[in-house]
Amino acid sequence: EILLTQSPGTLSLSPGERATLSCRASQSVSSRSLAWYQQSPGQAPKLLIYATSNRATGIPDRFSASGSGTDFTLTISRLEPEDFAVYYCQQYGASPRTFGQGTKVEIK
Amino acid sequence: EVQLVESGGGLIQPGSSLRLSCVASGFTFDDYVMHWVRQAPGKGPEWVSGINWNSANIAYADSVKGRFTISRDSAKNSLYLQMSSLRVEDTAFYYCTRGRYDGGSLGWFDPWGQGTLVTVSS
Repeated sequence: EILLTQSPGTLSLSPGERATLSCRASQSVSSRSLAWYQQSPGQAPKLLIYATSNRATGIPDRFSASGSGTDFTLTISRLEPEDFAVYYCQQYGASPRTFGQGTKVEIK
Repeated sequence: EVQLVESGGGLIQPGSSLRLSCVASGFTFDDYVMHWVRQAPGKGPEWVSGINWNSANIAYADSVKGRFTISRDSAKNSLYLQMSSLRVEDTAFYYCTRGRYDGGSLGWFDPWGQGTLVTVSS
């Protein structure tokens, strides 16, 4: 099973600042099979990114992502109030699909 | 609008059984593999089970294999999860979600229902 480790656990930033979230896999994720989800309080996870760097429908371009192998990054260029949430990475290149433990982006 | 609406959660005792349901709308249900994903309070999500359009391909996480059964009814656009021999560690929000794929990957999940809470406690 591929273990995904997200860092930092919590990111304290102000609106307008840039957020950089990391997701590291215990072994190489094949075919760039990595997704990112956003979960606001009391809500279900929402797809942001699939295939490492492809934004899902309706996701604003302030969200970008990159990576390969074992190291992946989600960047939010300028934080909006609605971006303060928990973010999860998920790999789907190997069975079973696994998720990271999450990074909380909180208002500083 | 694509919608997934779960129901059936509740507070139950260890060793009991429970059946979750999910009604899908806004898309052609038979065109998609459907999944259950759960999330314990304060934890990351965990994939539980998936089922293809004609129920010929079904998979389970090791943690639920032999205790949970996934099924679907195309006539009702519905997905089900029959859970038995429930344990305290099965306590979680259970989400119904649609599988999306590219190439030969296992796929990601989009969208997710609002979830239904299952609490296993004595």
